[in-house]
Amino acid sequence: SQKIEQNSEALNIQEGKTATLTCNYTNYSPAYLQWYRQDPGRGPVFLLLIRENEKEKRKERLKVTFDTTLKQSLFHITASQPADSATYLCALGAGSARQLTFGSGTQLTVLP
Amino acid sequence: GAGVSQTPSNKVTEKGKYVELRCDPISGHTALYWYRQSLGQGPEFLIYFQGTGAADDSGLPNDRFFAVRPEGSVSTLKIQRTERGDSAVYLCASGGQGAVGELFFGEGSRLTVL
Repeated sequence: SQKIEQNSEALNIQEGKTATLTCNYTNYSPAYLQWYRQDPGRGPVFLLLIRENEKEKRKERLKVTFDTTLKQSLFHITASQPADSATYLCALGAGSARQLTFGSGTQLTVLP
Repeated sequence: GAGVSQTPSNKVTEKGKYVELRCDPISGHTALYWYRQSLGQGPEFLIYFQGTGAADDSGLPNDRFFAVRPEGSVSTLKIQRTERGDSAVYLCASGGQGAVGELFFGEGSRLTVL
């Protein structure tokens, strides 16, 4: 069955460092992958989308890589700030099917 | 409104009761989704509308769950004979046309079945 794993339920890093979050998947051939941020009691907020034929995408302090051979996406936040503390969700989408399959998320805490 | 609006934000009901959850998507968005999120988990797909029709309802867990979008805008998720296991946050999202794109989520409706 399809499975999406996000690294460690919780990740603590020091302010100013780079946070790296991992999303691994099995039994899935996604056409694209998205990352969302979710704060407690709020709905997910879209951050980045990367397609299967793209290796890397950047947006301000965010960078996403997508390796379809390793079946893995890495999500980086450079120069992290306490305001970056949240749960980050990866979500996979397959071709014409518009629904997303989400991982369980990684809770990131950036310590001042 | 500017974003996706969901009501009620919180609903507490008793086992066996009927519940309706409402979603008002971003104006002009043709695609509408319902997801369910349990504590510590990611959102789980329930149903997808393109316009008025349910394009994919494969995520609905059983026939107690039903959703409508009669005029292609507002959608209602209906749950009959609620069970304690239905307790979760029900998220609605909307998106523009096209096969791929970001989803805009509402804040969710937290359902608690006692």
